[in-house]
Amino acid sequence: NAGVTQTPKFQVLKTGQSMTLQCAQDMNHEYMSWYRQDPGMGLRLIHYSVGAGITDQGEVPNGYNVSRSTTEDFPLRLLSAAPSQTSVYFCASSYSLSTGELFFGEGSRLTVL
Amino acid sequence: KNQVEQSPQSLIILEGKNCTLQCNYTVSPFSNLRWYKQDTGRGPVSLTIMTFSENTKSNGRYTATLDADTKQSSLHITASQLSDSASYICVVSPFGGGSYIPTFGRGTSLIVHP
Repeated sequence: NAGVTQTPKFQVLKTGQSMTLQCAQDMNHEYMSWYRQDPGMGLRLIHYSVGAGITDQGEVPNGYNVSRSTTEDFPLRLLSAAPSQTSVYFCASSYSLSTGELFFGEGSRLTVL
Repeated sequence: KNQVEQSPQSLIILEGKNCTLQCNYTVSPFSNLRWYKQDTGRGPVSLTIMTFSENTKSNGRYTATLDADTKQSSLHITASQLSDSASYICVVSPFGGGSYIPTFGRGTSLIVHP
């Protein structure tokens, strides 16, 4: 099993550009989520999904869109990148939101110039 | 609002020494409390999990304790090694109330010097 796979690992964007961070898991987990991690701020929840076709906002959703068309994939879209979105992004999945361990990807480092 | 506070923010110790990291939380009731280890440039990995009825849980040189009455948890690292240098994150998952979204602490950065 590959676990949680994130691509790309590194990306540099110009302000106003759009891009999609990909996240895929092969553990048949229903719960998937996106976090951003900034120095001194810890991990902050952007969006999450409790199953295919179901998504909801987390703590810092502005500027990001998500969709969940399959159990395996949970892409994060930046429609018009801003320098404030420079961060490290982590995707995580779990078999049970209330009791399950969160399995994280290796992260995607995004720089917006 | 659910909160998880960790202390200290950073810690430097010598190899072979012990250390204890603290986690205070307001999440109530809670389903479980986990400690994660995050190596530099990597995603967090779960070290221990405790439910509200458990007092202690060990994973090798890592021992987590929980006092549900005072809403405090600690992570004790014994005989530290250079590979213990990492960020340690306390995560508390609520129970009931319609939301099971876990709350993350900001982490304690541990540096182990030879």
